[in-house]
Amino acid sequence: DTGVSQDPRHKITKRGQNVTFRCDPISEHNRLYWYRQTLGQGPEFLTYFQNEAQLEKSRLLSDRFSAERPKGSFSTLEIQRTEQGDSAMYLCASSLGQVLNSPLHFGNGTRLTVT
Amino acid sequence: AQSVTQLGSHVSVSEGALVLLRCNYSSSVPPYLFWYVQYPNQGLQLLLKYTSAATLVKGINGFEAEFKKSETSFHLTKPSAHMSDAAEYFCAVLTGGGNKLTFGTGTQLKVEL
Repeated sequence: DTGVSQDPRHKITKRGQNVTFRCDPISEHNRLYWYRQTLGQGPEFLTYFQNEAQLEKSRLLSDRFSAERPKGSFSTLEIQRTEQGDSAMYLCASSLGQVLNSPLHFGNGTRLTVT
Repeated sequence: AQSVTQLGSHVSVSEGALVLLRCNYSSSVPPYLFWYVQYPNQGLQLLLKYTSAATLVKGINGFEAEFKKSETSFHLTKPSAHMSDAAEYFCAVLTGGGNKLTFGTGTQLKVEL
């Protein structure tokens, strides 16, 4: 169990640029979640996958956001035409099954700063 | 919609003193509740969870929480604080048909000598 890995740890970008983050879940975990955390707030749900299928997307996830999980392994989260309001910590988590029976394992996050 | 509210964004205690972090829930159905901890520069870790099996739930590192339906609360306690307990603590409720967690705004715990 090497834990959930996120890359990069930090990303600074200019407004209007596109960014992509990567998450490698714990192997054999079939569920993968993306959350966003801003200063003074708890993590907010963005989307989750079961294997390669994206089963739910939050209304927070505008059209500029897209997430993929090809082959049900790693996942990418892309933000197009970044805005200053996108500045946040983006968290990835994985679990072996439903949240009630299998705890979420979180990565250390990717901190995005949009200037 | 189910939600949780954490009272007190910052709590400071002396080493050895009781830790009490407050969480109240809002739910029209019996909730499943969780406490997570986030140490500096680390990912969130599960401390404990309530699944209706027992109202007093014991977690890791000496923490426990009691589910009180009459007070709609799920406060986190530890009898004696240690310096290593300094972290941010999040209460969460299971939502979305059991497929996701909705977190509170967090409480930063500071432990002083």
